[in-house]
Amino acid sequence: EAGVTQFPSHSVIEKGQTVTLRCDPISGHDNLYWYRRVMGKEIKFLLHFVKESKQDESGMPNNRFLAERTGGTYSTLKVQPAELEDSGVYFCASSQDRASSNYGYTFGSGTRLTVV
Amino acid sequence: SQKIEQNSEALNIQEGKTATLTCNYTNYSPAYLQWYRQDPGRGPVFLLLIRENEKEKRKERLKVTFDTTLKQSLFHITASQPADSATYLCALRTGTASKLTFGTGTRLQVTL
Repeated sequence: EAGVTQFPSHSVIEKGQTVTLRCDPISGHDNLYWYRRVMGKEIKFLLHFVKESKQDESGMPNNRFLAERTGGTYSTLKVQPAELEDSGVYFCASSQDRASSNYGYTFGSGTRLTVV
Repeated sequence: SQKIEQNSEALNIQEGKTATLTCNYTNYSPAYLQWYRQDPGRGPVFLLLIRENEKEKRKERLKVTFDTTLKQSLFHITASQPADSATYLCALRTGTASKLTFGTGTRLQVTL
């Protein structure tokens, strides 16, 4: 089966611009997560979708970040306007059930965002 | 405050030896703990999951232990190979929340 796909793999934008990241989860996975790793820090949770609904968005840094999952398939994460501290690697993950059973999460390769 | 610590940033061992990585946590009551492998430029890859009521889990050359009294998990790779070189991450899930909280990872280097 295809894995979790993220696009683009890299993005370099200027401060103040807008960037949209996309994630295509594994087909049939209702749960979709966004995580972020900034330089030198651990991977941190941003938010969790169950189908098209936001289940937990406690990790979203501020209102410059907007995540959507229309139709419960792919998801987008928009940063508007981007700031320097938004630079990092953004990971998307999906899982088949909420408790992740015995299978853990399947992560994409990430989008490396650089804000200059 | 809540904290997850992995024993060291880097661990170097010789091929054939057993690598032991440590994950310690404070102020958590995890429902389960997961270990992931991450290679440069890639996302984490799930390896093993162990629940709070389990002491040990094995998968091929991998073994994970979980001591909720010590608040510690140990991750062992036996008969290590250069291909095992990667960063290994532990992650906790607590209660009914689905989100994972990650440690900073340990970079393992296996040399010939």
